[in-house]
Amino acid sequence: DAGVIQSPRHEVTEMGQEVTLRCKPISGHDYLFWYRQTMMRGLELLIYFNNNVPIDDSGMPEDRFSAKMPNASFSTLKIQPSEPRDSAVYFCASSLRGAGMGGYTFGSGTRLTVV
Amino acid sequence: KQEVTQIPAALSVPEGENLVLNCSFTDSAIYNLQWFRQDPGKGLTSLLLIQSSQREQTSGRLNASLDKSSGRSTLYIAASQPGDSATYLCAVTDNQGGKLIFGQGTELSVKP
Repeated sequence: DAGVIQSPRHEVTEMGQEVTLRCKPISGHDYLFWYRQTMMRGLELLIYFNNNVPIDDSGMPEDRFSAKMPNASFSTLKIQPSEPRDSAVYFCASSLRGAGMGGYTFGSGTRLTVV
Repeated sequence: KQEVTQIPAALSVPEGENLVLNCSFTDSAIYNLQWFRQDPGKGLTSLLLIQSSQREQTSGRLNASLDKSSGRSTLYIAASQPGDSATYLCAVTDNQGGKLIFGQGTELSVKP
């Protein structure tokens, strides 16, 4: 398996523009997570899905952020409109609950810069 | 609300030293605890996973322990090497096996 795949790796956009981040989890994993990492706040959970259903979105900062998981192999995180304070590295991770092995697998992240 | 704290925030040691990184968590009702490594500008790599019923896990020069009742975990690195330089993150999973809550990390520098 190629692991968790995120795209793009880097994104630079102007304030007010829409940004869409993409994630392909490991095949067979039933949990998918979106995290944001900044120097000030560390790693924060934004939202997670179980079997494509959003379970906890309490970490989504505001209505400008939305996430979808239309099928087991694809998820998106959208920011509209983007703001400079959204600049961060966004990680996607997947896991298989109850497997007892391997824990969570993270993607390489998308570094977002909003100017 | 679960909170995870890592001490120290940064650590610099000479090559060859054995060292211990500390992690504490406020709610002992966890499903498991995981240690990750993050290199600058990179993603997270899972190092060790300890289930709530386990006391420790070992992988090569790494040994992680878990004392759930006291809310503590340690990561022991034996015979440190410059290649061990990275940020080490501790994270706990809630009792439903869902979300990971991360500590702020310990930035380790091993000097040749």
